[in-house]
Amino acid sequence: DAGVIQSPRHEVTEMGQEVTLRCKPISGHDYLFWYRQTMMRGLELLIYFNNNVPIDDSGMPEDRFSAKMPNASFSTLKIQPSEPRDSAVYFCASEGVGTEAFFGQGTRLTVV
Amino acid sequence: GQSLEQPSEVTAVEGAIVQINCTYQTSGFYGLSWYQQHDGGAPTFLSYNALDGLEETGRFSSFLSRSDSYGYLLLQELQMKDSASYFCAVNHMRFGAGTRLTVKP
Repeated sequence: DAGVIQSPRHEVTEMGQEVTLRCKPISGHDYLFWYRQTMMRGLELLIYFNNNVPIDDSGMPEDRFSAKMPNASFSTLKIQPSEPRDSAVYFCASEGVGTEAFFGQGTRLTVV
Repeated sequence: GQSLEQPSEVTAVEGAIVQINCTYQTSGFYGLSWYQQHDGGAPTFLSYNALDGLEETGRFSSFLSRSDSYGYLLLQELQMKDSASYFCAVNHMRFGAGTRLTVKP
């Protein structure tokens, strides 16, 4: 397995634009997590899914953020409209039963 | 609510032993895990404790005391490549702020 795959690896966008981050979890894993990492706030859990169902989205900062998991092999995190304070590295991770969490390489988002 | 506390920075010399502590407050606790992250990289799994006691994996060991809501990561025979950030996490899910370890020659 190629591991957790995230795209794009880098994204630079202008304030007010819509940003969509994508994640392909490891096949067979039934948990998927979205994290945001910044120097100030560390590694924050935004939302997680179990069997494609959102379980806890209490970490989503505000209504501008939304996440979907239409099937077991794909998830998106969308920010609309984006703001400079959203600049961060966004990680997706997946986990199977009895396994640890495997992280993707992250998407570095810069909003100017 | 949930919270994890760990030191922000630790410095040690090559060949030494270092211990990184983690205290946590949470409900629904299943286990404490440790992850390593090099600058510019993704967190990678190191160790996991679901039960009290010590788990050893090569140069790295991890300890858990559920009654004390406390754990630590022990790194032995430090190497320069061990310079990284180390995170404790509850249930593989909620992460502490990380401890930046610097290994000096």
